[in-house]
Amino acid sequence: DAGVIQSPRHEVTEMGQEVTLRCKPISGHNSLFWYRQTMMRGLELLIYFNNNVPIDDSGMPEDRFSAKMPNASFSTLKIQPSEPRDSAVYFCASSLAQGVGYGYTFGSGTRLTVV
Amino acid sequence: AQSVTQPDIHITVSEGASLELRCNYSYGATPYLFWYVQSPGQGLQLLLKYFSGDTLVQGIKGFEAEFKRSQSSFNLRKPSVHWSDAAEYFCAVGEGNTGFQKLVFGTGTRLLVSP
Repeated sequence: DAGVIQSPRHEVTEMGQEVTLRCKPISGHNSLFWYRQTMMRGLELLIYFNNNVPIDDSGMPEDRFSAKMPNASFSTLKIQPSEPRDSAVYFCASSLAQGVGYGYTFGSGTRLTVV
Repeated sequence: AQSVTQPDIHITVSEGASLELRCNYSYGATPYLFWYVQSPGQGLQLLLKYFSGDTLVQGIKGFEAEFKRSQSSFNLRKPSVHWSDAAEYFCAVGEGNTGFQKLVFGTGTRLLVSP
């Protein structure tokens, strides 16, 4: 089991550029979550999917953020245009079932720096 | 809405000493409670979880946690800390077992281990 795989591990981009973060959940997991971690705000849930369908995107900060899950093995989080305040570590997590009972398995994160 | 409070931002413990990290939650029904650990540059790893039954739960790496409903607490303990335990620890709470769920995380406690 390779775990939750995120790419890239690090991303440095200039303000105004488009950024795409990628996530491959654990095979068989049907829930997927995108979190953002900053020193100021801690871990924030941005959006989560169940069976590839977005369930709750209330944590997405602005229209500049969008997320997709075209199939069970792949999800993207896109920021367009990026801003310096988007600098953070973005985590993807997956879970076996829709309930919280199984806990989440987290990826290693993508550290995004917008300059 | 549920919330989690971790009152200690930093804790320093001598190697070999015992450890207790505090966590208080706010939730009306029986919560699902979790402790995660995050090593530098890594994602979050599940240490243990509580749903129901025995209020003392055992986890990986020698950690345990006790659920106390009367105090709305779920403190994490370890009898003897190792230098490799230095990391950030997150408490999280989830809702019950209906519908689509998400975890709410505390702000974390950074554990430093002194020789």
